[in-house]
Amino acid sequence: NAGVTQTPKFRILKIGQSMTLQCAQDMNHNYMYWYRQDPGMGLKLIYYSVGAGITDKGEVPNGYNVSRSTTEDFPLRLELAAPSQTSVYFCASSQRFGYTFGSGTRLTVV
Amino acid sequence: ELKVEQNPLFLSMQEGKNYTIYCNYSTTSDRLYWYRQDPGKSLESLFVLLSNGAVKQEGRLMASLDTKARLSTLHITAAVHDLSATYFCAGGFNTDKLIFGTGTRLQVFP
Repeated sequence: NAGVTQTPKFRILKIGQSMTLQCAQDMNHNYMYWYRQDPGMGLKLIYYSVGAGITDKGEVPNGYNVSRSTTEDFPLRLELAAPSQTSVYFCASSQRFGYTFGSGTRLTVV
Repeated sequence: ELKVEQNPLFLSMQEGKNYTIYCNYSTTSDRLYWYRQDPGKSLESLFVLLSNGAVKQEGRLMASLDTKARLSTLHITAAVHDLSATYFCAGGFNTDKLIFGTGTRLQVFP
């Protein structure tokens, strides 16, 4: 069981560049989430999805976009990267009361 | 606006001592989670509390939930160094989105 797989694990971006953070789960969970965690802080919800084709904004969606074309995949797109997007990004999936988190992507924007 | 507040934010405690971390939330939550995070790592699920009065214990950690007071506690008994980590509570607030507290950084010293 792979669980929730995030790629890449680390990335350095220049200001203004774009990238996609990948997230895949193999548990057939309907619900998926993207969180960001700034140093020394808790997790903030960026976007979430309750199923293929359905996405909604979380607490801090500005500067990000998502899509959910399949149950398994939930990519997060950063357009025009800014230093304020330097953070660790966690993807998660859930079914009923159980949540599974990925290992995270550490992103630095310089 | 939903808020989840933890206190203390930092906790330095001696081995063998007892202490409690508090998690207050601002609106009704149908479930409350506790997670542990080691530096540079993802989140490890500790407890899921699903009803008023729920109490769960695992080793030296015990979590409880009082939905009327909108309060959950994580009690540490006879702390050991291996418990040093950051602990987060998170609430479901009648949705599938988890809203996280700011975390409590625990350091246990000899």
